[in-house]
Amino acid sequence: AQSVTQLDSHVSVSEGTPVLLRCNYSSSYSPSLFWYVQHPNKGLQLLLKYTSAATLVKGINGFEAEFKKSETSFHLTKPSAHMSDAAEYFCVVRSGAGSYQLTFGKGTKLSVIP
Amino acid sequence: EAGVAQSPRYKIIEKRQSVAFWCNPISGHATLYWYQQILGQGPKLLIQFQNNGVVDDSQLPKDRFSAERLKGVDSTLKIQPAKLEDSAVYLCASSLGGEKLFFGSGTQLSVL
Repeated sequence: AQSVTQLDSHVSVSEGTPVLLRCNYSSSYSPSLFWYVQHPNKGLQLLLKYTSAATLVKGINGFEAEFKKSETSFHLTKPSAHMSDAAEYFCVVRSGAGSYQLTFGKGTKLSVIP
Repeated sequence: EAGVAQSPRYKIIEKRQSVAFWCNPISGHATLYWYQQILGQGPKLLIQFQNNGVVDDSQLPKDRFSAERLKGVDSTLKIQPAKLEDSAVYLCASSLGGEKLFFGSGTQLSVL
C-alpha cells in the first residue's frame, strides 16, 4: 500500500525566510505525488504534482518540490515565505496505478511570523 | 468557473440523529469524491463516483453511511444514525477523471 509521512505537524518561519515542509513516501512502484494546501475556511487546492517527468516540480505561488527516489522524499520548499502562505499543507500519494484514489498525509501547519 | 458547492456549511446534531450533506460538483466533472477529515488528520476517502456509478466505497462505513449521485451530477451523503466519532469535516471534490481534484469548502459536522 502507498502512504506518506509528513515529518512535522507544525512549522513556523519568519516572513521572507525559506520554507521547508518535509514528506516521505512509501510505495511499491514509482508513485504519483502531490502537495495540496488548505487555507482556513477554504477548499483544498492543488499546489503541484510529480508524475515521473522532471524530479524538480514547480507549483503555484513560488513553491516547488523535489522527488528523491533514493531518500523516498518529496519535500516542499519556497525561497521566501509570505504572510499569505500561512495554511495547512498536505503531502498526497496516488493509491494504485489504475486508480485516482489519493491518500493524504496528516498535514503540516505553516505559520508565518511578521 | 464556479467551484464545487457544498451545503450546509455547519451542522450540529445529537448522537443517533440522522444528517445529510449535499454537493454540486463543477459542471462537466464526471468523477465525484466524498472525503472525511477528522481534526488533526488528513482527508480520508469515503466514496468515489464515476458519473452515477460507485468506483470505490471500500472505506465507507456502510452500516451507517450512504451516498448517492442521481443523474451523475449532484450527490448526497447521509449518516444514520450518527455517532460521536463522526464529528469531522466532510469534503466533496470533483475532477474530469484525472489527478487534479477540485475541493469544496466542506461541511463541518459536530455530533454531541
